[in-house]
Order: sequence, then structure tokens, then C-alpha cells
Amino acid sequence: DSGVTQTPKHLITATGQRVTLRCSPRSGDLSVYWYQQSLDQGLQFLIQYYNGEERAKGNILERFSAQQFPDLHSELNLSSLELGDSALYFCASSVSGAWGEGNIQYFGAGTRLSVL
Amino acid sequence: AQSVSQHNHHVILSEAASLELGCNYSYGGTVNLFWYVQYPGQHLQLLLKYFSGDPLVKGIKGFEAEFIKSKFSFNLRKPSVQWSDTAEYFCAVNADDKIIFGKGTRLHILP
Repeated sequence: DSGVTQTPKHLITATGQRVTLRCSPRSGDLSVYWYQQSLDQGLQFLIQYYNGEERAKGNILERFSAQQFPDLHSELNLSSLELGDSALYFCASSVSGAWGEGNIQYFGAGTRLSVL
Repeated sequence: AQSVSQHNHHVILSEAASLELGCNYSYGGTVNLFWYVQYPGQHLQLLLKYFSGDPLVKGIKGFEAEFIKSKFSFNLRKPSVQWSDTAEYFCAVNADDKIIFGKGTRLHILP
């Protein structure tokens, strides 16, 4: 168990809908990262938050947004869902917000999103 | 643009065979390098990492990787694989406040 908790484990929804994925980081970790894993794109970094502030941005679509709350949990909001958004969404956390030595990310088990 | 290539998408080996999974990246500056493993039904776990120093790094479960800067490579090796090594392996490169993952290599070990 990595200590990173993601809910829900599975989510099935329809095109055009909006969903929210939740992530609770390991105790003491200030940074949260979101990733999308799909068959064709592989594992892609979406966005990073550190202590409530956006720190780094990857290949995140405009239809997607995230935030990190004062208790450090994070939510990833996916809207106007399309079939191609079906994927496994991972959250990871780390102590530091800096990318470099000591910044080891610990991953949650993921949320599997199916858009029908 | 930075990219990470894992050449082998699917590798099948017998137990006790030696393993080498290739990873090449494209980026000219300073990088941090990682190998993650995802066992069936489980989350990603860090196998090993390279930040600086000795380019031969040892990780958990008998894995090691060698950073060859001139070849932009960070290949993962294990002298003798076990059935329990069946998993998907991801190489990742961190540079410029981003982390890029390779598309993964599925390793299947035959008992």
C-alpha cells in the first residue's frame, strides 16, 4: 500500500458528462500529481499541485481541471467527456514540490474511467 | 520536445533468463531517471532512480539500471528473472519541471 488513496476505483459515465476524481496524498506529502494512462498514449503527466498551488502542467486538456484543497487532498475534474477520455487516471504524491533529488512520487491504485 | 522511448512493448522470457529493457530519452540537459513497475492489478511502484553520481544504480528486487549519458539511455537489467517479475515496466525522465513516461514494456515470465 503506497498510502495514496484514490476514489472511486471505477467510474462509468456517458459522453458529455462531468466527473470528479479524488485523491488523498500520503501523510506529510505536500505535492499531488495527476496522470492519465491510456492504451494509445501510455502514461502521461497531466498536472502537479504543491501545497494548494499549481506547480507544473503537462498534457492536460482545457476540459480538465484540478485543484488541491487546504487539507491537501486533490480533485481532478473532467468535463464534456468524450469516448477517448476513457483511461486509468493515477494520482501520485511526494513530499517535495521540487522536481529532483528526493522527490520520489508514490502512486495510488488509480481510477478507471469508462466513457460510453 | 522531450520524449522517452521504450523499444520493447512486450517481452516474454523463461524463468532464470537474463533481462534487459531498453529506454532512450531525448533531452540535452540534466535529467533525473526512473524505472517504475506495475504488477498486475497494483499501483505503480518505484524500482530505482538516478539523480547523480554512480551511473550504475541498484534498485529493489535485484534490478539495476545503467545511465549512459552519451547514448541517452537508461536500460533496466536483471541477471535472472522470476515468474513474479511479470509486470509492466515504465521508464521515466524528469527534466524542466516535467516528467515524461515511456509507453511501457509488458514483461511476461514463463514458469
